[in-house]
Amino acid sequence: AQKVTQAQTEISVVEKEDVTLDCVYETRDTTYYLFWYKQPPSGELVFLIRRNSFDEQNEISGRYSWNFQKSTSSFNFTITASQVVDSAVYFCALQPTGANNLFFGTGTRLTVIP
Amino acid sequence: DSGVTQTPKHLITATGQRVTLRCSPRSGDLSVYWYQQSLDQGLQFLIHYYNGEERAKGNILERFSAQQFPDLHSELNLSSLELGDSALYFCASSTYSDTEAFFGQGTRLTVV
Repeated sequence: AQKVTQAQTEISVVEKEDVTLDCVYETRDTTYYLFWYKQPPSGELVFLIRRNSFDEQNEISGRYSWNFQKSTSSFNFTITASQVVDSAVYFCALQPTGANNLFFGTGTRLTVIP
Repeated sequence: DSGVTQTPKHLITATGQRVTLRCSPRSGDLSVYWYQQSLDQGLQFLIHYYNGEERAKGNILERFSAQQFPDLHSELNLSSLELGDSALYFCASSTYSDTEAFFGQGTRLTVV
């Protein structure tokens, strides 16, 4: 069975603070992809990153960084120097290789206070 | 802008009615996925089409059906609507089945 857990339902930070969103996944598949999507108040789902289970290198894209640790089945997302525009619901998702769909976590609502 | 277009953006209809949601995938994408986002169920996969053929079904009710046309656009048909069908319905597309999916802006369906 596939499962993605985002234990943090809501997080509030003050602008310019760093914040880490946690994601823990469960799968019996040996190869899979992990994703993060952002859902701003306007409602669309914005693709942020896809990571292959073979690649445990951390990734940085501007103020965003991702820490993938296979040993703990975690794929955490850090926003550095948060901004008000980062306020959104963030979803972590899992796609086993060969599967047709994504398995989403329940999302973390991030509020950045000016 | 993801390049995936969904129409309409909002839809209000009565119980028992039937509606059709439309999705135009990104240019060149062969795969189309439909997801439902509701408060109690979260984001749930409904169905996947690849180049006109159904590839996988998720938690899709029998009252719901979909198809992908030769021009690769897709439609999701929802019939005998119930209050509980009120949700945000997303379409996503990808080049193949194992490449990243890009989502449209969603259709917000309200059943009254």
